[in-house]
Amino acid sequence: EDQVTQSPEALRLQEGESSSLNCSYTVSGLRGLFWYRQDPGKGPEFLFTLYSAGEEKEKERLKATLTKKESFLHITAPKPEDSATYLCAVQPPEANSKLTFGKGITLSVRP
Amino acid sequence: DGGITQSPKYLFRKEGQNVTLSCEQNLNHDAMYWYRQDPGQGLRLIYYSQIVNDFQKGDIAEGYSVSREKKESFPLTVTSAQKNPTAFYLCASNAPARGEQFFGPGTRLTVL
Repeated sequence: EDQVTQSPEALRLQEGESSSLNCSYTVSGLRGLFWYRQDPGKGPEFLFTLYSAGEEKEKERLKATLTKKESFLHITAPKPEDSATYLCAVQPPEANSKLTFGKGITLSVRP
Repeated sequence: DGGITQSPKYLFRKEGQNVTLSCEQNLNHDAMYWYRQDPGQGLRLIYYSQIVNDFQKGDIAEGYSVSREKKESFPLTVTSAQKNPTAFYLCASNAPARGEQFFGPGTRLTVL
């Protein structure tokens, strides 16, 4: 059974204090790993797809990296508007296979 | 603008009632999904459909039903058989052979 574990459950940062969010996964092969941002009361917003170990993607203050067992979402010099819940999901190799989501990491950035 | 719409945003249900949540997409995606989100839990898959007139049960299908008569629409009915329906419901879709799913804004269902 595919499993996704995100840590920590919650993270509080001071504005400008860089940190990383972790997504560990167990899957029988990996077709793709996905990061989403979710604001309270809203649907998740797609951020990145990573396909293979060593791959990196960047968007503004966010950088996602991937190894064979985990992915990190690095947040550089965060701002209060980066406060949200960040979700990670994995997809096994079969075409059109279902995603397995982690429980999410709630990030709070204080001004 | 292409996207996914869900309605209503908030829904209140009395015990014993069936309610239907709407999901429409104009992204021309073949696959559509319904998830349930509860506090402290990850997204859990209720039903999904890869093509019109076909759908499959997800991990927590009991007490729910769906239809897929049109490519653009994938309504979810929460029946009276669902014992704990209060939750945030999310609809998503994706293009063929693409893993990343795109989500609608969600419907919050509360049982009174």
